[in-house]
Amino acid sequence: QKEVEQNSGPLSVPEGAIASLNCTYSDRGSQSFFWYRQYSGKSPELIMFIYSNGDKEDGRFTAQLNKASQYVSLLIRDSQPSDSATYLCAVNTGFQKLVFGTGTRLLVSP
Amino acid sequence: GAGVSQSPSNKVTEKGKDVELRCDPISGHTALYWYRQSLGQGLEFLIYFQGNSAPDKSGLPSDRFSAERTGGSVSTLTIQRTQQEDSAVYLCASSLTDYNQPQHFGDGTRLSIL
Repeated sequence: QKEVEQNSGPLSVPEGAIASLNCTYSDRGSQSFFWYRQYSGKSPELIMFIYSNGDKEDGRFTAQLNKASQYVSLLIRDSQPSDSATYLCAVNTGFQKLVFGTGTRLLVSP
Repeated sequence: GAGVSQSPSNKVTEKGKDVELRCDPISGHTALYWYRQSLGQGLEFLIYFQGNSAPDKSGLPSDRFSAERTGGSVSTLTIQRTQQEDSAVYLCASSLTDYNQPQHFGDGTRLSIL
């Protein structure tokens, strides 16, 4: 079982809709969780991070964490074509290294 | 402030040559990481430095790969006797500390081995 799992997609949503990106992780001791956005040919860009159970909102982005279910998600409200990218979930398992998922490709159509 | 700076942005070299990739982290960041990303693939951890501690080299794929970090700041990743399978984007990231802090990435070095 991979340590951090994401559906590779593509996830297709129409402009203005909510995009929901999901990530599961295997290590129950994981302490911090990060979402990165990566445009094609570019490096990963930090979008959100969350440490505690519940929701964390920043503009159109909401990160949700459920440690009991070992599940973290990213919601993008009012999706825009410029949100089309690969979204990487990363988990700190306590060994001071981030373990990255392979990413979910999001396509937002006008 | 300035972000993570990597150089060169692109490097093309012949098989068997040695290459050096440079990373200048965000000022004040004590942790520095190197990753590799092959075309269409995920991020592969290579090595990480935290302050003056011994680096975690557990991700280095072979003994042809080495890295150093001088003065707790700039880092150099060296690949000796390059092979075609070394072709990838090499990404450097830094974080304020190595404990539960977000990592910030540079733009990467695209390495092509002919």
